Amino acid sequence: QQPVQSPQAVILREGEDAVINCSSSKALYSVHWYRQKHGEAPVFLMILLKGGEQKGHEKISASFNEKKQQSSLYLTASQLSYSGTYFCGTKDGGATNKLIFGTGTLLAVQP
Amino acid sequence: GAVVSQHPSWVICKSGTSVKIECRSLDFQATTMFWYRQFPKQSLMLMATSNEGSKATYEQGVEKDKFLINHASLTLSTLTVTSAHPEDSSFYICSASPGGSGYTFGSGTRLTVV
Repeated sequence: QQPVQSPQAVILREGEDAVINCSSSKALYSVHWYRQKHGEAPVFLMILLKGGEQKGHEKISASFNEKKQQSSLYLTASQLSYSGTYFCGTKDGGATNKLIFGTGTLLAVQP
Repeated sequence: GAVVSQHPSWVICKSGTSVKIECRSLDFQATTMFWYRQFPKQSLMLMATSNEGSKATYEQGVEKDKFLINHASLTLSTLTVTSAHPEDSSFYICSASPGGSGYTFGSGTRLTVV
């Protein structure tokens, strides 16, 4: 089953913060975050493994709560380059190793 | 870093014809590759898992006779859209895991069926 992301879309001014949530109905082994620009391949942002991990680099960070089967992506002091569609991808630790993408969140950063 | 090369980047074909899309892992061996399809303003939906030397595993609702997958070597997987129709027009993208937990994606193929 596809993970559900919220919000579906968000519009920010440069310098504002945003939070994108990803929720799964299945137990998760890991959560992957990607950003996709229109017509391009997804670009990897980060992976979080089970264990309540938090990660971050520069102004983008994320958390993973395996008990709640949820992950959140935090964008701080947003820049115009942050615009795009953000997807979480989840793996359930099964033998298939397949990555299932969430519903997506469209982020638009305006000057 | 690990690279997956996907060709063609775009293709326009006539309704009823077949189209082949290739994905190659350039600097690693991929026993498994994943094929996704993305319609405009939608998420990437997993179509099938391609397994080197064996049959592909298709997701529920994906017609295996229409979307033929071949993974004949450790570096090449192909997706053939047979008897394409306008509703097959989409963005097709492959991925593979070079090791560890991450995935590398091809650049995608924009298929337009007219």
